[in-house]
Amino acid sequence: GDSVTQMEGPVTLSEEAFLTINCTYTATGYPSLFWYVQYPGEGLQLLLKATKADDKGSNKGFEATYRKETTSFHLEKGSVQVSDSAVYFCALSDQIGGTSYGKLTFGQGTILTVHP
Amino acid sequence: NAGVTQTPKFQVLKTGQSMTLQCAQDMNHNSMYWYRQDPGMGLRLIYYSASEGTTDKGEVPNGYNVSRLNKREFSLRLESAAPSQTSVYFCASKLQGTDTQYFGPGTRLTVL
Repeated sequence: GDSVTQMEGPVTLSEEAFLTINCTYTATGYPSLFWYVQYPGEGLQLLLKATKADDKGSNKGFEATYRKETTSFHLEKGSVQVSDSAVYFCALSDQIGGTSYGKLTFGQGTILTVHP
Repeated sequence: NAGVTQTPKFQVLKTGQSMTLQCAQDMNHNSMYWYRQDPGMGLRLIYYSASEGTTDKGEVPNGYNVSRLNKREFSLRLESAAPSQTSVYFCASKLQGTDTQYFGPGTRLTVL
């Protein structure tokens, strides 16, 4: 079945540091890939997405590129802020024979803490 | 728009008790989902409803039942709660033909 593996956390950085959170996946078909963010005490929000190979998703200074050859979708940000402290989830959406029911498979989540 | 709302926010049950978690969305979305979130395991799909009138099992359906009451509402029922069902439960919805799910704020359930 489909699976998503994220780098182990937690990740602790100083403000303005460079962020990378690794994500690799296993899937049948051609899934869409997502990064969701969960701020303390809240539900998940979509951060960015990519729907086909070589697409780059970007939002709020974060970006990730859909790499089919390495089955990866690593999240990066050039300069993190304290307000970026949250849990980040990589996910993929089922895609079988061109049909998607929208079922998401999530990685285990990476806790990011940014210190001033 | 309230988006996706869930009630209650917190609940404590004793083993064997039953309860229903409520979810409603006001975005006219077709598909709705129930996930559970456990430490170190991300979110796992319990049940989903691709459209009004249909429901299907996800990855971890055992011990749960669902009802798609109408297009807006999708409830999750625990008939006989067990400590293994202690978790945070999230409801989500999306519009048919799109791929972005919108999540509710979650229900934190503890089963003693």
